[in-house]
Amino acid sequence: GAVVSQHPSRVICKSGTSVKIECRSLDFQATTMFWYRQFPKQSLMLMATSNEGSKATYEQGVEKDKFLINHASLTLSTLTVTSAHPEDSSFYICSAPEATTTDTQYFGPGTRLTVL
Amino acid sequence: AQSVTQLGSHVSVSEGALVLLRCNYSSSVPPYLFWYVQYPNQGLQLLLKYTTGATLVKGINGFEAEFKKSETSFHLTKPSAHMSDAAEYFCAVSDPPGANNLFFGTGTRLTVIP
Repeated sequence: GAVVSQHPSRVICKSGTSVKIECRSLDFQATTMFWYRQFPKQSLMLMATSNEGSKATYEQGVEKDKFLINHASLTLSTLTVTSAHPEDSSFYICSAPEATTTDTQYFGPGTRLTVL
Repeated sequence: AQSVTQLGSHVSVSEGALVLLRCNYSSSVPPYLFWYVQYPNQGLQLLLKYTTGATLVKGINGFEAEFKKSETSFHLTKPSAHMSDAAEYFCAVSDPPGANNLFFGTGTRLTVIP
């Protein structure tokens, strides 16, 4: 099946700094990618839809100025957590459908962010 | 708003025993339904999905699930558990049907006892 990678797998940063997380589709192109956030023992919550060549669409309650999304190419989307705070510590997961018509998502392995 | 409920955050079964992981959704219109499995340090992998047609869906690794509209359920089963089935399982729906964004349950950790 299709492969989606994320980098880094783990990151620890100080409060107030910014962290960039990359999501790549390795063997297919993705005009759309999705960013999820998962708190311990909770569901994956959709944060935003990343659209290649246009602005991301954010879910209600997600601060777009805090979680900057850039989808600069058909294989790469980045999520930047700006001015990170301890409450931003979480597991961030991206996904991508292999084609615009498919209903199957391929997920990255996730990035564990810890903000001190 | 759409919600997905997975009863039991942890399920333990003996090797060779039946696996039953429960999933219920809330939607007036049947959504598309999915089961994903997550092994440690890996991404979510699709086990099976229901979109339309036959309500009993077979997936990989011997798993299957049945969509029951009257019960708004999509429980996952496997007749005989294997040690390699130990993982985290997530039920998800896409609502409206066919939409790319998914709503997930909280997950069920399956432990297989030798």
